[in-house]
Amino acid sequence: QKEVEQNSGPLSVPEGAIASLNCTYSDRGSQSFFWYRQYSGKSPELIMFIYSNGDKEDGRFTAQLNKASQYVSLLIRDSQPSDSATYLCAVNTRGRGSTLGRLYFGRGTQLTVWP
Amino acid sequence: DAGVIQSPRHEVTEMGQEVTLRCKPISGHDYLFWYRQTMMRGLELLIYFNNNVPIDDSGMPEDRFSAKMPNASFSTLKIQPSEPRDSAVYFCASSFAAMNTEAFFGQGTRLTVV
Repeated sequence: QKEVEQNSGPLSVPEGAIASLNCTYSDRGSQSFFWYRQYSGKSPELIMFIYSNGDKEDGRFTAQLNKASQYVSLLIRDSQPSDSATYLCAVNTRGRGSTLGRLYFGRGTQLTVWP
Repeated sequence: DAGVIQSPRHEVTEMGQEVTLRCKPISGHDYLFWYRQTMMRGLELLIYFNNNVPIDDSGMPEDRFSAKMPNASFSTLKIQPSEPRDSAVYFCASSFAAMNTEAFFGQGTRLTVV
């Protein structure tokens, strides 16, 4: 079982709609959760992180965490064509036999926002 | 700060040749990570360093891969000998800590082994 699972998509939404991206993880000891955006041919860049159960809002973006269900999501309100990219979910988990963490990435969900 | 700097940006080499990828982390970051990204496997952690010391190399695919960090501002990932299946984008990233902090990525090196 992979540590972090995402629907690969593609997810296609019209401009102005809400895009919903989902992620599940396997390690209940995971402590922090990140959403990265990656444009084609570019490197990943951080959008948001969340540590606690519940919602965290930043502008048009809302991250949601449910540790009991081992589920993380990202909502993008008022989607714009410039949001078209691959969204990577990343989970920080302590490595096996280690006190330090590893950041596991999902394979990403490709989002297309059409005008 | 210029961010994480990787070189070269693109590398095309023949099977069997040695390949060396280079990375300069952000100044003051104590952690450096090497990732590999492919369509099939996504973004995989190969190895990471803390204060120039390798901490976890369990992601290194095989002995053909080696990584070093001789000082706080420089790291290399070497593949010898290279194989076509090593073709991927290799990213270097750095951060203040291993847990609960953002990792900043370099622009990546696109490696093609023919």
